Amino acid sequence: EVQLVQSGAEAKKPGESLKISCKGSGYNFMNYWIAWVRQMPGKGLEWMGVIHPDDSDIRYSPPFQGQVTISADKYIRTAYLQLSSLEASDSGMYYCARLQTIRGYYSMDIWGQGTTVTVSS
Amino acid sequence: DIQMTQSPSSLSASVGDRVTITCRASQRIWNFLNWYQQKPGKAPSLLIYAASSLQSGVPSRFSGSGSGTDFTLTISSLQPEDFATYYCQQTYTTLMYTFGQGTKLEIK
Repeated sequence: EVQLVQSGAEAKKPGESLKISCKGSGYNFMNYWIAWVRQMPGKGLEWMGVIHPDDSDIRYSPPFQGQVTISADKYIRTAYLQLSSLEASDSGMYYCARLQTIRGYYSMDIWGQGTTVTVSS
Repeated sequence: DIQMTQSPSSLSASVGDRVTITCRASQRIWNFLNWYQQKPGKAPSLLIYAASSLQSGVPSRFSGSGSGTDFTLTISSLQPEDFATYYCQQTYTTLMYTFGQGTKLEIK
């Protein structure tokens, strides 16, 4: 089965850091871009950035550039999203997703289950 | 940046109804447009890619159309499991894909 499995829920204090993982299985992990998406409570989906695990080519969405760090370890088939200097406004759900490409069209066909982040003093 | 605007933001309908959701791009995106469904507490799932291509495993009551700046998602006959929030997404700008704000489909 093709799947992405994310690390578990996190509860942090303001100023702390965290790193969310996203492990792929059932497909050639190195061949597909992995995207990260944020969903704040009760809100819509926000594109954060993408990474290609084979060469770690990374593209950040401008609102998230400098605010988060995306990385990957192709040997253990895992992508990461690191958040630093956490604030309460970072609380929300974070998803990873695989980008498939069909006839040159990209779409997010496999999603992780999401990781809930709660930042509170 | 390309802005994606969905209408309506929310919609009430009954089982068996035909429903249409609209997505408009702030500039031409040809047919680089996807649709996703998200149920409460769950990750989104892909319904339609390339504006009108049905993702494998998605029921045929879902269809997409449009090109350029205006797109629609149609559900031909609503089923109970279709009550969810729907998002469009443009994939025209290289690896910088933005979503619409979502349309919440509720039971009337």
